[in-house]
Amino acid sequence: GAVVSQHPSRVICKSGTSVKIECRSLDFQATTMFWYRQFPKQSLMLMATSNEGSKATYEQGVEKDKFLINHASLTLSTLTVTSAHPEDSSFYICSAKGLGEETQYFGPGTRLLVL
Amino acid sequence: AQKITQTQPGMFVQEKEAVTLDCTYDTSDQSYGLFWYKQPSSGEMIFLIYQGSYDEQNATEGRYSLNFQKARKSANLVISASQLGDSAMYFCAMREFYNTDKLIFGTGTRLQVFP
Repeated sequence: GAVVSQHPSRVICKSGTSVKIECRSLDFQATTMFWYRQFPKQSLMLMATSNEGSKATYEQGVEKDKFLINHASLTLSTLTVTSAHPEDSSFYICSAKGLGEETQYFGPGTRLLVL
Repeated sequence: AQKITQTQPGMFVQEKEAVTLDCTYDTSDQSYGLFWYKQPSSGEMIFLIYQGSYDEQNATEGRYSLNFQKARKSANLVISASQLGDSAMYFCAMREFYNTDKLIFGTGTRLQVFP
């Protein structure tokens, strides 16, 4: 149980375009989903927390207009990187947590390369 | 102030031997949770083990055990009978219950298991 999928696993896009990443909880209802960013050889940095049906809470320094997060259902959250630039190239990974649960379960991550 | 500290950037262990990965934390909250995750080179974050601050016994999950020393604010991961497949990055994380569901991650330890 507690499987989280993420799509796509890899994406290459041109500078200025937008990219959407999906995060799905496959076998449980995720009341809370999280989006992280990880640079090479570094730890995970939380970007935002989203609860189903409400606006995401962004961490300090994360541009909410650039990283749009939608959590429209209990099994799906999306992260859209708008007007992507090369500095947005990174590994983006989501996690999901059920109501009353302690553990966050992570998706396999998405490697974004902006040319 | 850094809340999760992993002082070992890299560790080596021979196959079938036990290894301890260090983690210390800092919090003024009485209620908190401590987690260990494994990140192989493929990138996904795999949940290993959880310890609640009020749990009197050390958590164990198969070959993984958490050496929880509350007074020292340490939560070391012990892997017994290391296997080649244990080679990965290992992250310690903490959740403060008074706060949101956010996890705070350490900088990680790269474990390499050799034959």
